[in-house]
Amino acid sequence: LAKTTQPISMDSYEGQEVNITCSHNNIATNDYITWYQQFPSQGPRFIIQGYKTKVTNEVASLFIPADRKSSTLSLPRVSLSDTAVYYCLVGEGGFKTIFGAGTRLFVKA
Amino acid sequence: EAGVTQFPSHSVIEKGQTVTLRCDPISGHDNLYWYRRVMGKEIKFLLHFVKESKQDESGMPNNRFLAERTGGTYSTLKVQPAELEDSGVYFCASSQETGQGNNEQFFGPGTRLTVL
Repeated sequence: LAKTTQPISMDSYEGQEVNITCSHNNIATNDYITWYQQFPSQGPRFIIQGYKTKVTNEVASLFIPADRKSSTLSLPRVSLSDTAVYYCLVGEGGFKTIFGAGTRLFVKA
Repeated sequence: EAGVTQFPSHSVIEKGQTVTLRCDPISGHDNLYWYRRVMGKEIKFLLHFVKESKQDESGMPNNRFLAERTGGTYSTLKVQPAELEDSGVYFCASSQETGQGNNEQFFGPGTRLTVL
């Protein structure tokens, strides 16, 4: 399974757009890219998933370049409640999901 | 719709004792997963059930850990005997199906295990 690299932490202010980039140089042809969010004392929560180009849902957008060696999670107009750890995962299916260290996003007022 | 539930939320036991963690997946989800995060480490996969069968248990740390899912509904994870290094948060997750592009797993709140 492909290993991912993300920034350890990021700071932002309320109302700003936040972009978190994840590197996955060894991504395989069948791998999908999935992002999870985790708040303290809770389990991870699925945010978005994509294979290539751009995916958007009510929470976030996911940008994937043509070579798929990286991806960027975009959170529009963050609020204080978006303070959490964000995990980028790469894999083929629903099993043996491998979590990295994640990115700690801190949103300030 | 009820989410994934886990019991207990916290457990404090002494080294050498036995603890059993329970996970109730979302109704209708055939896939059930166990993960754990020990202090300061990343969330690690333990095993994956498809219905009552163990699909992948490559992440189980040793034979002190036993997971079961009788009847393909809820699952238990027993640690016997518990050691200090077993302390951490144990997460359970479930999903409707595996396959390409469909790996949205729904996680429970976790069970925090402390072994003294």
